[in-house]
Amino acid sequence: NAGVTQTPKFRVLKTGQSMTLLCAQDMNHEYMYWYRQDPGMGLRLIHYSVGEGTTAKGEVPDGYNVSRLKKQNFLLGLESAAPSQTSVYFCASSYVYSRGGNQPQHFGDGTRLSIL
Amino acid sequence: LAKTTQPISMDSYEGQEVNITCSHNNIATNDYITWYQQFPSQGPRFIIQGYKTKVTNEVASLFIPADRKSSTLSLPRVSLSDTAVYYCLVGDSGAGSYQLTFGKGTKLSVIP
Repeated sequence: NAGVTQTPKFRVLKTGQSMTLLCAQDMNHEYMYWYRQDPGMGLRLIHYSVGEGTTAKGEVPDGYNVSRLKKQNFLLGLESAAPSQTSVYFCASSYVYSRGGNQPQHFGDGTRLSIL
Repeated sequence: LAKTTQPISMDSYEGQEVNITCSHNNIATNDYITWYQQFPSQGPRFIIQGYKTKVTNEVASLFIPADRKSSTLSLPRVSLSDTAVYYCLVGDSGAGSYQLTFGKGTKLSVIP
């Protein structure tokens, strides 16, 4: 049981390049999330998904796209990377609780992305 | 978006009890309050969650007043290994759609 696995762990890109970050979970969770973490900013939600085939925007979605084609995978794409997207990216997943509201999230160990 | 507010940092000596308070004025009716712990180069880790009054588990207690506009994470008898950043998480009802809002976190430093 690996929990939440993020690939790659580190990456350096040049401005304008594209790439996809992969998140995989083996806990059969319905919800998945992508966050970015910058110094002094805490974690900010980029996009999230409440189930296979559905995605929604979070607090800072601009410049990113996501896809949830399979329940266990959540992909974060940067079509044209910019230096402002240099950050640590975290993926998380959680169950759906019948009462709604937030639920404990399980996080991966992050992807460190630098854009030159 | 409604924000959560926590102290930026706290220092404590080993063996003391530490209380970290989070303010969340726009918490939604059905939202739970969740706290996470984060060590350097790792993702956040779930500590405790509650809806109202008091919740206790093997590592912490969570106190929530009746109006639910704040919450306090209590760590009993901290050790050096409790040095980390602690985040308070609640749902955000202010934007009209469901948003998750992390506070900026409280950096706890435990001193020998």
